Amino acid sequence: EAGVAQSPRYKIIEKRQSVAFWCNPISGHATLYWYQQILGQGPKLLIQFQNNGVVDDSQLPKDRFSAERLKGVDSTLKIQPAKLEDSAVYLCASSPWATDTQYFGPGTRLTVL
Amino acid sequence: DAKTTQPNSMESNEEEPVHLPCNHSTISGTDYIHWYRQLPSQGPEYVIHGLTSNVNNRMASLAIAEDRKSSTLILHRATLRDAAVYYCILKSGYSTLTFGKGTMLLVSP
Repeated sequence: EAGVAQSPRYKIIEKRQSVAFWCNPISGHATLYWYQQILGQGPKLLIQFQNNGVVDDSQLPKDRFSAERLKGVDSTLKIQPAKLEDSAVYLCASSPWATDTQYFGPGTRLTVL
Repeated sequence: DAKTTQPNSMESNEEEPVHLPCNHSTISGTDYIHWYRQLPSQGPEYVIHGLTSNVNNRMASLAIAEDRKSSTLILHRATLRDAAVYYCILKSGYSTLTFGKGTMLLVSP
């Protein structure tokens, strides 16, 4: 079974530029999550989708971050404009409907200069 | 969210058992205890979870105190590949995972 795919794996941009990350969850998984992990800390949930609807986006900085999950499959997370403090690893995870276990992708490491 | 307390780091020798502690004195009756681990440069991976009884799977064992205020993740024979950050997380119902800083496990050959 293929795991959660993310791209790109690494991205370097300058502050005020825009960036987008892509995630393809495990086939059939209804729930998709985006996390932000700053160096030395645990992952922090940014947004949770159930199929193509948003379940929880309470910690998403909506003035600069946006996410969508069209057709309830893959998802994109966008930052516009980026700030220095957005430097982090962005992790995507998915889980089957009504289960507790989350399966994580390898993450995208973003560096904002 | 109910919180957990874990040591910042622990060390072990290869092929020895490892006991990773987690305190959760404010756990509620509906909280499950989940453990995830994160190997270097990878996303977290699920290890094990339980409610009241001890649990075993191919990766590890989870020992839960009778009062549920603490638990221990047991790796029976540590390998170099087990070097990772281990997260103990309380989760109830459809709530999301809230990660702390976890315990960094160092394994020496």
